[in-house]
Amino acid sequence: DTAVSQTPKYLVTQMGNDKSIKCEQNLGHDTMYWYKQDSKKFLKIMFSYNNKELIINETVPNRFSPKSPDKAHLNLHINSLELGDSAVYFCASSQDGSRLAKNIQYFGAGTRLSVL
Amino acid sequence: SQQGEEDPQALSIQEGENATMNCSYKTSINNLQWYRQNSGRGLVHLILIRSNEREKHSGRLRVTLDTSKKSSSLLITASRAADTASYFCATQAGGTSYGKLTFGQGTILTVHP
Repeated sequence: DTAVSQTPKYLVTQMGNDKSIKCEQNLGHDTMYWYKQDSKKFLKIMFSYNNKELIINETVPNRFSPKSPDKAHLNLHINSLELGDSAVYFCASSQDGSRLAKNIQYFGAGTRLSVL
Repeated sequence: SQQGEEDPQALSIQEGENATMNCSYKTSINNLQWYRQNSGRGLVHLILIRSNEREKHSGRLRVTLDTSKKSSSLLITASRAADTASYFCATQAGGTSYGKLTFGQGTILTVHP
């Protein structure tokens, strides 16, 4: 069984469209994350949720909206897609994202988003 | 701002040789971690070293941490073609960050058979 699974794996869409990426983890972890990896492989955190509560919200355009219906799921909705949104988006989870814990993260395989 | 800087950006070696990658960071940390990313895949955790530790081993991996220089190194001994991947360091800051990991830009390692 895949520990952190995200769908779809590939997403090709036109500028201006709205799209969603889904993520699920079956590890029983409390904390989930969304990262963006650009073409230079630089990995930057976007959001983090702990037990359905938003705890990290980096400087991300408000066209990006995360939603966590329960602690096993964290979805990412993107409105009005732009060319610069093209990247690989990774979902991750960790047992305890608190600052006092060893925050070892488990990653999904990524969603490659191409905006045309 | 980006926390980790990795050096070299790319490393090409022959199977059986050792590979050393370095990471520097800027602020105080709780721990430093190394991850591997195979092409087209997600990151996989390799090893974690706490701020009060100087060296850690795991199989063919050896990690060192020098908090006075704010730097770490990852040594892979007796490399194999299957070690070909990108390697990232990630720091977990001390202080008020909610366990956030900040990643370096990675070192692309190619091991030739």
